[in-house]
Amino acid sequence: GAGVSQSPRYKVAKRGQDVALRCDPISGHVSLFWYQQALGQGPEFLTYFQNEAQLDKSGLPSDRFFAERPEGSVSTLKIQRTQQEDSAVYLCASSWGPGLAGGQAKNIQYFGAGTRLSVL
Amino acid sequence: GENVEQHPSTLSVQEGDSAVIKCTYSDSASNYFPWYKQELGKGPQLIIDIRSNVGEKKDQRIAVTLNKTAKHFSLHITETQPEDSAVYFCAASKGDDKIIFGKGTRLHILP
Repeated sequence: GAGVSQSPRYKVAKRGQDVALRCDPISGHVSLFWYQQALGQGPEFLTYFQNEAQLDKSGLPSDRFFAERPEGSVSTLKIQRTQQEDSAVYLCASSWGPGLAGGQAKNIQYFGAGTRLSVL
Repeated sequence: GENVEQHPSTLSVQEGDSAVIKCTYSDSASNYFPWYKQELGKGPQLIIDIRSNVGEKKDQRIAVTLNKTAKHFSLHITETQPEDSAVYFCAASKGDDKIIFGKGTRLHILP
């Protein structure tokens, strides 16, 4: 498809379970971002990749959260030992990356529909 | 770090009237200000953006203004239509970097 694809769309986990959320960015996009969106709030930054390099993970709330992008394309966000406070929508966004293309900045971020995680 | 404040949190306007959403940011190094629209069950969709070297930008019924000195930026929607009902987020960023979002404005277009 032409857009950012996330799977699953919905995930229900029992407290203490591990979960893995997948993001397929737009083909060719260099930069990939993960955000967490609590109910009624704006998205909050979690982590950022440029190709396979994780350049910023300052937003990850705890060491239970781990993200990877081993081949510089698909990314997985893993949450270990889920807690109720992890319940949120997890959004992935991608962009062409830094610099200009044809005089236009390439940093516009395109978002997927998100994965809604509910921890019971 | 950057902090983005957004007002109002809820806005109801009569169909055909204009809607204005205002935001402030704190980090003078921010140079990119996108606006996103989010409908229920969907991800945020970019509707317009403005960079710090420009004071105003317009795209059909949507316009954004930026006052770098005051660190204010605003979204104006004219001739509102029912399909404009959604949550709107302002945001600030420093180039190819994380986006810091406001808390959102829920816009209701009244028939």
